[in-house]
Amino acid sequence: DIQLTQSPSFLSASVGDRVTITCRASQGINSHLAWYQQKPGKAPNLLIYDASTLQSGVPSRFSGSGSGTEFTLTISSLQPEDFATYYCLQFKSYPLTSGPGTKVDIK
Amino acid sequence: EVQLVESGGGLVQPGGSLRLSCAASGFTFSNYFMGWVRQAPGKGLEWVANIKQDGSEKYYVDSVKGRFTISRDNAKNSLYLQMNSLRAEDTAVYYCANYVRGAAYYFHYWGQGTLVTVSS
Repeated sequence: DIQLTQSPSFLSASVGDRVTITCRASQGINSHLAWYQQKPGKAPNLLIYDASTLQSGVPSRFSGSGSGTEFTLTISSLQPEDFATYYCLQFKSYPLTSGPGTKVDIK
Repeated sequence: EVQLVESGGGLVQPGGSLRLSCAASGFTFSNYFMGWVRQAPGKGLEWVANIKQDGSEKYYVDSVKGRFTISRDNAKNSLYLQMNSLRAEDTAVYYCANYVRGAAYYFHYWGQGTLVTVSS
């Protein structure tokens, strides 16, 4: 099974900060990775797919990069509505697996 | 507008069964792989099962193999998850999602989830 790790697991930041979250895969997954944002009590919301493609309707301050085993999600200027938990999911092979999440909180 | 609406969750005793349903609208259901993802209270996301457009291929996480069955009815635009021999560790919010092909696959739209609680 492909294991995904995320760092940091928790991040405290201020509005306007640049935020970077890293997702590492235990083996190469090409670009078969997506990023999701989840707010309490809500379903996950797709931000980035194919590692770097911005989902339609998602603000351009979100960007994704990487390939193989290391991926990053960057928020260029953190907004109040961005405080949430972020997950990476791999779709290279079954079983599909998720990172443990990164919670972004207000400093 | 794409909508996925799960139902069928509830409280069940260990060893019991439940059948979850997901009603889809706003897209051509029969054209898409579909899947179930769950989230235990306070925990991360765990993929559970996927099913091909015509139901000919099904995939499961090891922890549910032999206990859960994913199925679909394209005429009714509906996805199902039959859950048998339920355990406390199956307690979670269960989401259905459509599995979309870009350059690679990904879960695009998600339902609001239905809570399954396994407890005596």
